[in-house]
Amino acid sequence: GEDVEQSLFLSVREGDSSVINCTYTDSSSTYLYWYKQEPGAGLQLLTYIFSNMDMKQDQRLTVLLNKKDKHLSLRIADTQTGDSAIYFCAAPRGGSYIPTFGRGTSLIVHP
Amino acid sequence: EPEVTQTPSHQVTQMGQEVILRCVPISNHLYFYWYRQILGQKVEFLVSFYNNEISEKSEIFDDQFSVERPDGSNFTLKIRSTKLEDSAMYFCASTTLGTSGRLGHEQFFGPGTRLTVL
Repeated sequence: GEDVEQSLFLSVREGDSSVINCTYTDSSSTYLYWYKQEPGAGLQLLTYIFSNMDMKQDQRLTVLLNKKDKHLSLRIADTQTGDSAIYFCAAPRGGSYIPTFGRGTSLIVHP
Repeated sequence: EPEVTQTPSHQVTQMGQEVILRCVPISNHLYFYWYRQILGQKVEFLVSFYNNEISEKSEIFDDQFSVERPDGSNFTLKIRSTKLEDSAMYFCASTTLGTSGRLGHEQFFGPGTRLTVL
C-alpha cells in the first residue's frame, strides 16, 4: 500500500520562504495533495498536482514533484503568521481516490 | 459557505461503552468518509460510503465499527464497545462528483470529534 512520510516540524521567520517535504511510495498515484489544518478546524485542501506535472504554482504556493524520487514539496513564499498550521501531504493508492496521509508538518511562523 | 459539521467536538466515554459520532456532510455531496488520527500518528482512512452502502473500508474498520446514514442529512460512526486504543480524533469528510462526472478531488473535512476512552 501507499506510505507517506514528512517531517513533523518546521519553524521559519515571517517573510521567509517555507519548504515542506514529503515522500511517498506508490508510483501509480495519479494525484498528490497538500492539505492544511488550522487549529480547531478540519483538513482543507490547499492544492494538488497531477502526477504528469513537475511543478504547479498558485500565488504564494509552489508544488514540486519529482516522480523518479517520489518526492513532493510545498513551498510557501513570503510566509505569514497566518500560515501557521499543520500541513498534510497525501497520496492516493493507485486506482483509488482515498488519500493516504502523512503525519502532518507543523509550520510555526515567528514574527 | 457550506461546510461539514461534526458533533460532539469532544466525547469522553468509559471502555466498553458504545459511542456514536455524528456528522452532517455538505448537502449535495454523495460520498462520505470517516478518518481517524491517533495523537501523534497519521490520519488513517476508516471507511467510505456511497448510495447507502460501504464502498471501501480499511483493515481498521472491523466489526466494532459501523456507519449509517439514518436520514437525509446525518452520517454516523458507531463504535460498539470502545477500547482504550480507540482514543483519537475522528474526522468526517464528504465529496461529490467533479464536472467530468468523476469523483471530485476535494474532500471537505469536518473539524473532528476528539474521542477519549478511559
